[in-house]
Amino acid sequence: DAGVTQSPTHLIKTRGQQVTLRCSPKSGHDTVSWYQQALGQGPQFIFQYYEEEERQRGNFPDRFSGHQYPNYSSELNVNALLLGDSALYLCASSIGLAGRGGQETQYFGPGTRLLVL
Amino acid sequence: LAKTTQPISMDSYEGQEVNITCSHNNIATNDYITWYQQFPSQGPRFIIQGYKTKVTNEVASLFIPADRKSSTLSLPRVSLSDTAVYYCLVGENTPLVFGKGTRLSVIA
Repeated sequence: DAGVTQSPTHLIKTRGQQVTLRCSPKSGHDTVSWYQQALGQGPQFIFQYYEEEERQRGNFPDRFSGHQYPNYSSELNVNALLLGDSALYLCASSIGLAGRGGQETQYFGPGTRLLVL
Repeated sequence: LAKTTQPISMDSYEGQEVNITCSHNNIATNDYITWYQQFPSQGPRFIIQGYKTKVTNEVASLFIPADRKSSTLSLPRVSLSDTAVYYCLVGENTPLVFGKGTRLSVIA
């Protein structure tokens, strides 16, 4: 049973470029959340996708956008890259939306480390 | 969302029990307390979740006093492989809100 997978593992871009990161959720999971983790900090929530729609969004600019496909896989797109976008980008999957009581357990992938020069 | 406070770092010798305490004075009635573990260059991994009193699984125990304003993650007999960052999260459902966590270093 494959866990959450992400690609690529590492990426180097220059300022102003655009990047697309990919995520395949754990088998049986239909909800994907994206997080940004700067060095020495905890992960910060970017957005969550369920049924191919963005359901929740954190405090990130519109340069950050996403997509979810019918097979539940997801992409994170970042436009007009800034030096401050350098971070580990984590994808987490879970089942369904919130509302079942308690914090839902999210399964994280290994992340994509993005370096913007 | 309730804010959490936990020590920045802790050191322990192998075989000892480690207790990491998290303060969450503004916890709401519907909030749960969840702990995640993160190794370098990996995503966080769920350890344990609780609402009140004590929860135990094969990895750790979670102690929550009656006022729920704090919680303690207990790791029995730690090994070198337990060296990681431990995050205390408080909230109801998503999104998960992470602080800076506690960096635990286990020494041989």
